[in-house]
Order: sequence, then C-alpha cells, then structure tokens
Amino acid sequence: ELKVEQNPLFLSMQEGKNYTIYCNYSTTSDRLYWYRQDPGKSLESLFVLLSNGAVKQEGRLMASLDTKARLSTLHITAAVHDLSATYFCASFNAGGTSYGKLTFGQGTILTVHP
Amino acid sequence: GAVVSQHPSWVICKSGTSVKIECRSLDFQATTMFWYRQFPKQSLMLMATSNEGSKATYEQGVEKDKFLINHASLTLSTLTVTSAHPEDSSFYICSAPYQQNQPQHFGDGTRLSIL
Repeated sequence: ELKVEQNPLFLSMQEGKNYTIYCNYSTTSDRLYWYRQDPGKSLESLFVLLSNGAVKQEGRLMASLDTKARLSTLHITAAVHDLSATYFCASFNAGGTSYGKLTFGQGTILTVHP
Repeated sequence: GAVVSQHPSWVICKSGTSVKIECRSLDFQATTMFWYRQFPKQSLMLMATSNEGSKATYEQGVEKDKFLINHASLTLSTLTVTSAHPEDSSFYICSAPYQQNQPQHFGDGTRLSIL
C-alpha cells in the first residue's frame, strides 16, 4: 500500500525565515504534486514534478524531487504571511488505469507570523 | 483553463436526510471523476472513482450503499450521501483529470453538516 508522509505536520515560522517541508513516499511514484489549501477552500495546484532531479520554483516556493530517495521537498524562502495555508504533497500512480490515482500526505499546516 | 464546478458549496441538514452533491466539468469532458472526503485538519481520502456509463470503483472501507455515485454524462457526476448521520459531516471534494495522466482539477468542495 502506498503511503505518503509529510514532515512537519505543523509549522509556525517568522516572516523572512526559510524552511523546508519534506514528503516521503513508500513506493514508486509516476509523478509528485504539491497543493495549497486555504481554510474552507479546495486545493490549488502548485507544482508537478515528473522526474528525478526535477526542480520547480514559483515565487518564494521551490519544489524538488529525488526519486531514488522517494523524497520531495517544498522549500520556503523568506516567508510572508500570505503563504500561511495547508500544503499537501500527493503521489500519482497510474497503476495501469487510464487516469491513475492520487495519494495525499497528511498535510503541513503553515502559519507565518510577524 | 479547465474548470470543475461543484454544487452546493455548503449544506446543513437533519440526520436521516439524503444529500446529493454535483460535480461538473465545465469546459471539457470527463469520463472519470474522483470523489474525496476530508475531515477537519486531515488529509484528503479518496472515496471512489466515478466512471461515465459504468459503476463507480469504491476504495476499501467506503460503503457503496451509503455513498451512491452516478456518472450519467461526460460532464456530470453526482455523489448522494444516503440517510446521512452526523459522522458523515465532512468536506467533500470532487476532481477530474483534464486529459489522461494530466493533473486533476479540483472542485471548490462541499461542506456537509449533519445535525
């Protein structure tokens, strides 16, 4: 059974600081997604990582993928309050089906304070 | 871009009521849609895969008779929570892939509260 584990689950950080959220998955993944969820809202797609060594950046967020270690990271640079949200990683596995399946990590609740 | 619309966004009803949630792909056809459930401060759990014109595929532990899924057209899937009870209160989110093996597009979610 595929398991996706995020660490940390809760993160409180000061504005301007850097931090990394880790996402480990237990079996081979066809691709790895990062999503953001604001309270009471649905998911917003941030990144999709397709291959080993993939790195993507958008603003203060940078995601990377190491398929050998089965690890993805989401790095936050110089955090600002607007980044406060819950962040999920999700592993996509085609599994021989047409549209595959997403398995989500537990989520990391990020709070950025002054 | 591809959009998935979910309706209603919030519903409050009495215990024993059946509640229907709609998920529509607005500008593309979706032969497959996914239904997730999310409890407060928890992750999304896949409940079932909805397949147009055929039976839904339910994940282990999800009651088929409790959560009825109908995917009657290429743009609409419905989830009916039958005889809902307070423990069914949750945030239900649907999604649909725009193209095969492409990222899923998520609906805005439905907050279900059973009194």
